[in-house]
Amino acid sequence: DAGVIQSPRHEVTEMGQEVTLRCKPISGHNSLFWYRQTMMRGLELLIYFNNNVPIDDSGMPEDRFSAKMPNASFSTLKIQPSEPRDSAVYFCASSLSGGPGNTIYFGEGSWLTVV
Amino acid sequence: AQTVTQSQPEMSVQEAETVTLSCTYDTSESDYYLFWYKQPPSRQMILVIRQEAYKQQNATENRFSVNFQKAAKSFSLKISDSQLGDAAMYFCAYRSSQGAQKLVFGQGTRLTINP
Repeated sequence: DAGVIQSPRHEVTEMGQEVTLRCKPISGHNSLFWYRQTMMRGLELLIYFNNNVPIDDSGMPEDRFSAKMPNASFSTLKIQPSEPRDSAVYFCASSLSGGPGNTIYFGEGSWLTVV
Repeated sequence: AQTVTQSQPEMSVQEAETVTLSCTYDTSESDYYLFWYKQPPSRQMILVIRQEAYKQQNATENRFSVNFQKAAKSFSLKISDSQLGDAAMYFCAYRSSQGAQKLVFGQGTRLTINP
């Protein structure tokens, strides 16, 4: 079975540009998570969707960040305008909802560099 | 809010030896799950092992086992017969059974395997 698919794997962009990260969760999974990993802050949850509805977006750093999940098989994380401090690895993850024991599967991450 | 602490930023072990990675957490909940994830240089997060708080028996997955001490809020990972492929960052994570059920990660421990 295909795992969580993220694109792009790597992106280098200039400050001020819009960045869109994409995620396809595992088929049948109804919970989706966006995490950010940096050296300074480690792994932090940005937003969590359940059945395509944002449940917890308290980790979204500021208004420059937005996330959508228009259907069960696709989600985007957008940064506009991007800043150098947004440079990080962004992970999308998915799981079945209904219990904390359900494994959360991670994608391979999108490595973003803002120069 | 729950917190997870990994007090060992780096560990090293000789190939074929045993190593234990430490993790403590803070929570007021009684029902939750604990996880160890491995992050090799490829950056993908891979689930190693999980433990349900209600289960007294320590989880085991082949060469990986945990020592779960609920009262002490301790969740260490033991890797037996260490192999070169075990070299990675290891993250301890907590998942609540309530609310958003997001994963809360520790800071990670970088494990080096010496041949």
